[in-house]
Amino acid sequence: GAGVSQSPRYKVAKRGQDVALRCDPISGHVSLFWYQQALGQGPEFLTYFQNEAQLDKSGLPSDRFFAERPEGSVSTLKIQRTQQEDSAVYLCASSPRDSAYEQYFGPGTRLTVT
Amino acid sequence: LAKTTQPISMDSYEGQEVNITCSHNNIATNDYITWYQQFPSQGPRFIIQGYKTKVTNEVASLFIPADRKSSTLSLPRVSLSDTAVYYCLVVRVSGGYNKLIFGAGTRLAVHP
Repeated sequence: GAGVSQSPRYKVAKRGQDVALRCDPISGHVSLFWYQQALGQGPEFLTYFQNEAQLDKSGLPSDRFFAERPEGSVSTLKIQRTQQEDSAVYLCASSPRDSAYEQYFGPGTRLTVT
Repeated sequence: LAKTTQPISMDSYEGQEVNITCSHNNIATNDYITWYQQFPSQGPRFIIQGYKTKVTNEVASLFIPADRKSSTLSLPRVSLSDTAVYYCLVVRVSGGYNKLIFGAGTRLAVHP
């Protein structure tokens, strides 16, 4: 079966533009996570969805970051008024259930803000 | 969650066994130890998870001593394709889900 897919794979935005990053999780997976990975660092947690409910958004760095998963499948991470410090790889992961099972990661979207 | 400490980088040669040790001194009773692997331009990939003693799968083995304050990921007979970053994580189910906390990982370079 298909894994987690993300689009676009690469995005270049001018500072101040809004961007939307899409995640298609593995079909039927209840849990969906977003992570941000700076160059040379490990991924950092941004937010978590269980079905359509956003249960944890403690990692979102500012109110310019917004995530949604309206029908409990596809998710979108939106960044408003992008800044250079937003340049990173944004990773999406899904998991079949909400316990200590492995998360399946997508390839990520590399965002470059110029 | 317990902080993990692992070497920043390691070098090995094809065919050798590689052991990456991770420290997690403050691990709690209900925490699991999990390892992920990440290749360039890809998301992390789950390798192995354990609670205590030894766990083995087709990819690696995980050794956890009785005090659980450290763990060792063992990769048998590495090949060039094992060159990647390896992350050791302590995972706790809280509120019904697990939020993965990554460190900087260990960059393994396998040489011919």
